[in-house]
Amino acid sequence: NAGVTQTPKFQVLKTGQSMTLQCAQDMNHEYMSWYRQDPGMGLRLIHYSVGAGITDQGEVPNGYNVSRSTTEDFPLRLLSAAPSQTSVYFCASNPFQGAQPQHFGDGTRLSIL
Amino acid sequence: SQQGEEDPQALSIQEGENATMNCSYKTSINNLQWYRQNSGRGLVHLILIRSNEREKHSGRLRVTLDTSKKSSSLLITASRAADTASYFCALIMDSSYKLIFGSGTRLLVRP
Repeated sequence: NAGVTQTPKFQVLKTGQSMTLQCAQDMNHEYMSWYRQDPGMGLRLIHYSVGAGITDQGEVPNGYNVSRSTTEDFPLRLLSAAPSQTSVYFCASNPFQGAQPQHFGDGTRLSIL
Repeated sequence: SQQGEEDPQALSIQEGENATMNCSYKTSINNLQWYRQNSGRGLVHLILIRSNEREKHSGRLRVTLDTSKKSSSLLITASRAADTASYFCALIMDSSYKLIFGSGTRLLVRP
């Protein structure tokens, strides 16, 4: 049982480059979300989705795009990477909107030079 | 900020002792959750307590919720070195279904 799978685990980008962080879950969960975690801090919500075709913004959405074409996948796109986006990114899923525990992936560590 | 504020930020105890972490918040909640994060890993859910509940137990974990004081506590009894991790509270507010995290408590259990 894979749960929530994030790829890649590590990535280094140059300022201005674009990339997509992948997230896939095999639990048929409707709700998926992306967070960033900066050193010594909790997680901040970037974007979330309550089902295929539906996405919405979280606390810190600027500079990021998402789409949800299938229940399983929820990719996060950085359009033009900036040093301020250096962080650890976590994807999570749960079966119902917020009322159930979230299952987390192991994160993508992203450095932007 | 509407997120949970955790206290203390860091805690160091001897193996076998109890560890208590506190979380305070500012608005009405639907439920409050506690998560653990081992170094370099994702978060793992520990306990969910709903706004109409006052206490929940899971093994060596005990969570209390006082909605009148807008606070919750996580107690880990008979701590072990393997409990060393960061612990986060997270809130689901009444007006939303988004999970809002606190900044966490870093727990070190010394063997």
